[in-house]
Amino acid sequence: SQQGEEDPQALSIQEGENATMNCSYKTSINNLQWYRQNSGRGLVHLILIRSNEREKHSGRLRVTLDTSKKSSSLLITASRAADTASYFCATATDSWGKLQFGAGTQVVVTP
Amino acid sequence: GAVVSQHPSWVICKSGTSVKIECRSLDFQATTMFWYRQFPKQSLMLMATSNEGSKATYEQGVEKDKFLINHASLTLSTLTVTSAHPEDSSFYICSAGVGGTGREKLFFGSGTQLSVL
Repeated sequence: SQQGEEDPQALSIQEGENATMNCSYKTSINNLQWYRQNSGRGLVHLILIRSNEREKHSGRLRVTLDTSKKSSSLLITASRAADTASYFCATATDSWGKLQFGAGTQVVVTP
Repeated sequence: GAVVSQHPSWVICKSGTSVKIECRSLDFQATTMFWYRQFPKQSLMLMATSNEGSKATYEQGVEKDKFLINHASLTLSTLTVTSAHPEDSSFYICSAGVGGTGREKLFFGSGTQLSVL
């Protein structure tokens, strides 16, 4: 069963704009991860945030985690056409790799 | 980063036949691998956890006799879809983790698109 719910389901922006997507989950977690998937391809790990962390940065990515609200957000700044993909949050209840994925947000960045 | 190779990328088969999908960790050892399936425009659903040298652990609702998993070595796990039917058509993805206390950060194969006619 899915653990996470993401919104929006789809997001269309222009190059240079920021893209923000949110993820909510239901149970306590060990960590939350964000992945990216290009159409018909495998997933690429973007960033991992642990339950005792509140914010993390990686390049143009910024992830926040609010465990009291059981939610996370992913911000992509200064988006590029190459950022067009589906983005998934995934939660882990332990450190042993079993992940439950959210429904995903489909992002389209137009030049 | 670590590389997970999945093969084949796509396969078309007739209803009733069996299909084997391989997942290999190329530059690291993976005692545990995970198998997911994904329907178009939907999320990944965890099917099973593949453990090297022991039986796989299946998620609720996944038929273990339908989806046979073998993790015979530290670098190879296989998923066999037995007696495939059109409803088994889906995108199957494997993953394996490295580092830390467990396998927190997962690396994914490129996926296998299965079409059953």
